[in-house]
Amino acid sequence: GENVGLHLPTLSVQEGDNSIINCAYSNSASDYFIWYKQESGKGPQFIIDIRSNMDKRQGQRVTVLLNKTVKHLSLQIAATQPGDSAVYFCAETPEPALIFGKGTTLSVSS
Amino acid sequence: DVKVTQSSRYLVKRTGEKVFLECVQDMDHENMFWYRQDPGLGLRLIYFSYDVKMKEKGDIPEGYSVSREKKERFSLILESASTNQTSMYLCASSPDRGPSSGNTIYFGEGSWLTVV
Repeated sequence: GENVGLHLPTLSVQEGDNSIINCAYSNSASDYFIWYKQESGKGPQFIIDIRSNMDKRQGQRVTVLLNKTVKHLSLQIAATQPGDSAVYFCAETPEPALIFGKGTTLSVSS
Repeated sequence: DVKVTQSSRYLVKRTGEKVFLECVQDMDHENMFWYRQDPGLGLRLIYFSYDVKMKEKGDIPEGYSVSREKKERFSLILESASTNQTSMYLCASSPDRGPSSGNTIYFGEGSWLTVV
């Protein structure tokens, strides 16, 4: 299948900084994208999603940006907290399943 | 809240054994999925089902089969476990019409399988 990749396998930030996690996708037909957060020993949890007819969507402390021209997706976390430490995956559809990238491990130090 | 339950969190099996991983969801979702997760490889789709008794191969179906006799239950079967099937297995479900209709996929907590 198509690959959805993340640019960096790890990202280390200081508490209070803003974090940006990037993802490149390759399937031009994908029309829906999701960011998941996975804490150690748990299954992935939905964070935020975006449709291809949008270029930005905001949630609580998180923003997803979509650039269809270069097939790039990013997740911005404002005022990063220790509880944000986890692995973050982007995912894209073809229906009905999701294709996941390899994940970025975010480490937040106090 | 949606709940996807994987009954076995940690299993150790011997090479050649038949292994069943069970998953149950309580939200009447049509679609169910099995992924495996390995370091550096992310989540890879094994099989999915969009209705009772229906199944579709994902990206890595070799060595696995599935069973969906009831809507709420989706089982992953390893007919003859091998050491390269040591992994974390994630079950997921979603409502009909899939993710792009605004219905996201919900995951269970995972089953850690070690084959020795």
